[in-house]
Amino acid sequence: AQSVTQPDIHITVSEGASLELRCNYSYGATPYLFWYVQSPGQGLQLLLKYFSGDTLVQGIKGFEAEFKRSQSSFNLRKPSVHWSDAAEYFCAVGAKGGGNKLTFGTGTQLKVEL
Amino acid sequence: DTAVSQTPKYLVTQMGNDKSIKCEQNLGHDTMYWYKQDSKKFLKIMFSYNNKELIINETVPNRFSPKSPDKAHLNLHINSLELGDSAVYFCASSLGLAGEQETQYFGPGTRLLVL
Repeated sequence: AQSVTQPDIHITVSEGASLELRCNYSYGATPYLFWYVQSPGQGLQLLLKYFSGDTLVQGIKGFEAEFKRSQSSFNLRKPSVHWSDAAEYFCAVGAKGGGNKLTFGTGTQLKVEL
Repeated sequence: DTAVSQTPKYLVTQMGNDKSIKCEQNLGHDTMYWYKQDSKKFLKIMFSYNNKELIINETVPNRFSPKSPDKAHLNLHINSLELGDSAVYFCASSLGLAGEQETQYFGPGTRLLVL
């Protein structure tokens, strides 16, 4: 069965600073990988996804993520954080042929200091 | 032009009651899902339907019964509500079950509080 680990429960960065949120997955083959963002009291918005091909994927709001098979990681990055990026970020893995079941990490809460 | 919508947004009810949450998507997707997010924000899949057929049932108590009247709707009925059912319930949909069709789009959530 697949699993996802987000090692950082909370991260605080200053506005304008760079950001990296870590995500490690466990799965026997090449997984499908996703990052979602949840603002307070809101639903989940898809930031970006990886299915195959180029291991560096670009998403919305200036985010990008890099799939590293050797490290079983899919870390989310942003070069310059804005105060509006403060939210909960979830990494998720989907299994090919798994009936489209998404397994989520426990989330990383991002705070942005002005 | 909401893609995935849920009603109600908030639901406060007493233990033992029966309640339903409705979900509709206007994306033309074939597959719909229900997820539960607990108080620690952990998200776990409950059910998924493809073309009105149940394909995932993640050992959810029998008190939870999904119903899909058509591809655009997936409702969740909960009998005999318990305190532990308090959570945020998210509906999601995807185009299909293969490759990039599996990308899931989520609704705004229904916040259920059982007293």
